[in-house]
Amino acid sequence: DAKTTQPPSMDCAEGRAANLPCNHSTISGNEYVYWYRQIHSQGPQYIIHGLKNNETNEMASLIITEDRKSSTLILPHATLRDTAVYYCIVRITDSWGKLQFGAGTQVVVTP
Amino acid sequence: DAGVTQSPTHLIKTRGQQVTLRCSPISGHKSVSWYQQVLGQGPQFIFQYYEKEERGRGNFPDRFSARQFPNYSSELNVNALLLGDSALYLCASSLDPEGASQYFGPGTRLLVL
Repeated sequence: DAKTTQPPSMDCAEGRAANLPCNHSTISGNEYVYWYRQIHSQGPQYIIHGLKNNETNEMASLIITEDRKSSTLILPHATLRDTAVYYCIVRITDSWGKLQFGAGTQVVVTP
Repeated sequence: DAGVTQSPTHLIKTRGQQVTLRCSPISGHKSVSWYQQVLGQGPQFIFQYYEKEERGRGNFPDRFSARQFPNYSSELNVNALLLGDSALYLCASSLDPEGASQYFGPGTRLLVL
């Protein structure tokens, strides 16, 4: 699976959009981009995933660049409960459940 | 609906002992994966089981073993505990065998003294 690079931390004001970047320059054509987050003392939570088209669900939007070398997770209206470590993961669909977590981005939403 | 449940929540063991951790997946989920999360790091993949068969194994020593039961619950066993085994052990279940969208439990925090 391709490796990902994320900033170690970022702050966001409550009510504003949070834009979380992720670089995955060695991504292969059959690899998806997944985002999970982990709130303190809890297990990771699935957010969203995509291959090449932009995706949106009730939690977030995922924007993948045309060359697929990077992506951005957008939390449209950050709340204090969105404070968490966010992980960007690249994986192929038949990797039998293996998620390779990196260090992630610690996002702190402030009032 | 109940999410993924794990037991116990906390555990203290001494070096050389053996430990068994338990996981119950979401109803209907046939895939269970285990992860180890050391403080300050992201989770590291240990095993995946689907339909009672091991489908994937991470880079962990043979001291780590697991199994899945007919009701799809799972146990993770760790023998000859080392201090470095102190971590949060997470279980995740998914509906599909590829484990595309995994649902994690709260974890078992193991401390080895």
